[in-house]
Amino acid sequence: GESVGLHLPTLSVQEGDNSIINCAYSNSASDYFIWYKQESGKGPQFIIDIRSNMDKRQGQRVTVLLNKTVKHLSLQIAATQPGDSAVYFCAEQYSSASKIIFGSGTRLSIRP
Amino acid sequence: EAGVTQFPSHSVIEKGQTVTLRCDPISGHDNLYWYRRVMGKEIKFLLHFVKESKQDESGMPNNRFLAERTGGTYSTLKVQPAELEDSGVYFCASSSTVAYGKLFFGSGTQLSVL
Repeated sequence: GESVGLHLPTLSVQEGDNSIINCAYSNSASDYFIWYKQESGKGPQFIIDIRSNMDKRQGQRVTVLLNKTVKHLSLQIAATQPGDSAVYFCAEQYSSASKIIFGSGTRLSIRP
Repeated sequence: EAGVTQFPSHSVIEKGQTVTLRCDPISGHDNLYWYRRVMGKEIKFLLHFVKESKQDESGMPNNRFLAERTGGTYSTLKVQPAELEDSGVYFCASSSTVAYGKLFFGSGTQLSVL
């Protein structure tokens, strides 16, 4: 079915440590995956994306890993900062003409 | 470049009343989407416009919801009559392409139905 789920609803990380946010998707036909960040009072903001022909993509302090075998997506944030506090959503698109489907989100909180 | 703007930012209405939400997409973006997030759950797709045409409205919950995009510019989402379960944050997003398209979101409208 259409379902993008997350392993943990909340994640608490020490400032300066690396954060790993996980996501499981159910549609093996999905070929495009995106991570969004939503800060309080704002709409979701694009962070990074990856297509199914790749298994890793890096951005500035962020890395997305895709494991199609187990239908798993992860977002790694290096040297987590207070400004990284937000809810992170993974999303998928299973054809070039279809809607983007979001999961329920993981709240990332930073301990000083 | 102006981003996606939504109005109002908050709306509190009573059950049975009508509310109209507005979205102004990024200029030049043919694709406009409405999503809804209810009580901290996932962001649920409602519908997708390509210019003024409804490309996909499979997420619209029922016929109390009416979306329009006259002229292919701004869009409105009307809820009539509103029910308690319609409460949530309604997000609008736009993109220049559908395939592998990066969505740009507005800040949302927080709708509370009492």
